[in-house]
Amino acid sequence: NAGVMQNPRHLVRRRGQEARLRCSPMKGHSHVYWYRQLPEEGLKFMVYLQKENIIDESGMPKERFSAEFPKEGPSILRIQQVVRGDSAAYFCASSLQFTEAFFGQGTRLTVV
Amino acid sequence: RKEVEQDPGPFNVPEGATVAFNCTYSNSASQSFFWYRQDCRKEPKLLMSVYSSGNEDGRFTAQLNRASQYISLLIRDSKLSDSATYLCVVKIVDTGRRALTFGSGTRLQVQP
Repeated sequence: NAGVMQNPRHLVRRRGQEARLRCSPMKGHSHVYWYRQLPEEGLKFMVYLQKENIIDESGMPKERFSAEFPKEGPSILRIQQVVRGDSAAYFCASSLQFTEAFFGQGTRLTVV
Repeated sequence: RKEVEQDPGPFNVPEGATVAFNCTYSNSASQSFFWYRQDCRKEPKLLMSVYSSGNEDGRFTAQLNRASQYISLLIRDSKLSDSATYLCVVKIVDTGRRALTFGSGTRLQVQP
């Protein structure tokens, strides 16, 4: 049973480009969370999705960021027109409804 | 006020010591509680769930006090490999929000 898979593991983008981060949850999990972690800081909640629905996006920046979790395929976190301040580790986690969540290895985004 | 608060540490303890971490949460809609550990630049990993009756897993004991809204983690006989950041996690089920909320973490350094 494969764990949570995130790709790419490392992503370099120039300022103004788009970044797409993918997350495949554990088999059977229909709930996905995205978190951002800046160097030397804690995990900051971004968005919580269930298949085809956004449950809680209270941590998402209002502009440039979007997330989806389609019926088929991975969850996608999309960052448009990236800026240097978007450089961070982005972690995805998946769970059943009210149980513990398991994390992927993260995508480290570097904006140059 | 943060919804989940932890002492950031660092806690520097010798091998074999017993160390305790506390975590407080402010939202009474909190339903589930967990401890995770995070090693430097790695993804968080589930250490244990926390139950109302308290639970133990080897050298680790977790307790929950709903009346006072705090959670504790006790580590006995510390090992060098216990050095990590310990994250207190609360699942809040509230109107429009069902996120897993992380504390900023408590850093533990076990010294030889």
